[in-house]
This record gives sequence, structure tokens and C-alpha cells, in this order.
Amino acid sequence: DSGVTQTPKHLITATGQRVTLRCSPRSGDLSVYWYQQSLDQGLQFLIQYYNGEERAKGNILERFSAQQFPDLHSELNLSSLELGDSALYFCASSAGARGQSTDTQYFGPGTRLTVL
Amino acid sequence: GQNIDQPTEMTATEGAIVQINCTYQTSGFNGLFWYQQHAGEAPTFLSYNVLDGLEEKGRFSSFLSRSKGYSYLLLKELQMKDSASYLCAIDSWGKLQFGAGTQVVVTP
Repeated sequence: DSGVTQTPKHLITATGQRVTLRCSPRSGDLSVYWYQQSLDQGLQFLIQYYNGEERAKGNILERFSAQQFPDLHSELNLSSLELGDSALYFCASSAGARGQSTDTQYFGPGTRLTVL
Repeated sequence: GQNIDQPTEMTATEGAIVQINCTYQTSGFNGLFWYQQHAGEAPTFLSYNVLDGLEEKGRFSSFLSRSKGYSYLLLKELQMKDSASYLCAIDSWGKLQFGAGTQVVVTP
């Protein structure tokens, strides 16, 4: 158990819908990262937040957005869902921000999203 | 870009040693991670190399050569539970770029 929690564990929805995935980082961690893992794309970095502010952006679609709240939990919002958005979505957390020499990311159990 | 290449699959016998290679092309990065991932589960941290050389952690060791654009993960005394995917990831100051992973199959 990494100490990172994600809800829900599974989510099934229809095309065109909007969903919200939730992540609570490990106690004391200030950074939260979101990743998407699909069979054909592997594990892809989406976005990073540090202490409430966006710090780095990866291959995140415009239909997706995220935020980190004052209590440091984070939410990933996926809208206008398409079949291709079906994937495992992982959240990870680490102690500090980009720039620190050793900042291991610990992954949550993931949310499996199925778009029908 | 940071093209990261790993073999797709490797098979080894219980008790043996397996070396998983990772080659990359990048102009600069902070360090290189290795993660283990069982199917449908979260990646779990194995090792992190910042400097060139070997890092040893029990049955797992990882090596990095920045000049050669090369890393490897060495798994010793293989156990059945080591059957999993092993992911190499370049750390660009917090932004992790993962390889596709190497599926290791341990046979009795």
C-alpha cells in the first residue's frame, strides 16, 4: 500500500459524458501527478500539481482538466468522453516539486474507466 | 523527445538472473527510475539512478551510463512473484517519461 488513495476504483460511463476522478496523496506529499495507461499507449504523463498550482503538463487533452485543492487532494475531470478514453488512470504523489534531485513518485491503485 | 526502448518480453527460470536493458535518447534528465507493475495494479518503485554506476537493493540492482544512454535492471534469485512488467522511466524534473515496459515471465 503506497498511501495514495484513488476513487472510484471502477467507472463505467457512456460516450459524451463527463466524469471526475479523485486522488488523495500520501500524508505530507505536496505534489500530485496524473497518468493515463492504455494498452496501446503505455503509461503517459498527463499533468502535475504542486501545493495547489499546476507545475508541468504532458499529453493532456483539452477535454481533460485537473485541480489540486487546499487540502492537497486532486481531481481529474474528463469530459465529452470518447471510446478511446477507456484506460487506467493513475495518480501519484511525491514529497516535493520539480527540481528536487530525488523525488520518488508513489502510485495509487488507479481508476479503471470504461467508456461504452 | 526521449525515445525509450525496452525489450517487450523476457522469460527466465525461478532462481535465475535476468537483466532488463533500457536505452534512451534525451538531451538531459535528472535521473532514471525503475518500477515494477503487476497486471492491473499500480506501478511500485524499485530504484532510482542519478549518477552513473550501480545501485544495489537486495535482489534488485540498477545501473546507469549517461554517456551510453543506457540503463539496466538486474533481478537475481528470481521468484515466481517477480513475474510482472518492469518499466524504465526518465525523470525530467518531475515529469516521468515511461518506456513501454518489459514483461518478465518466471517459469518453475
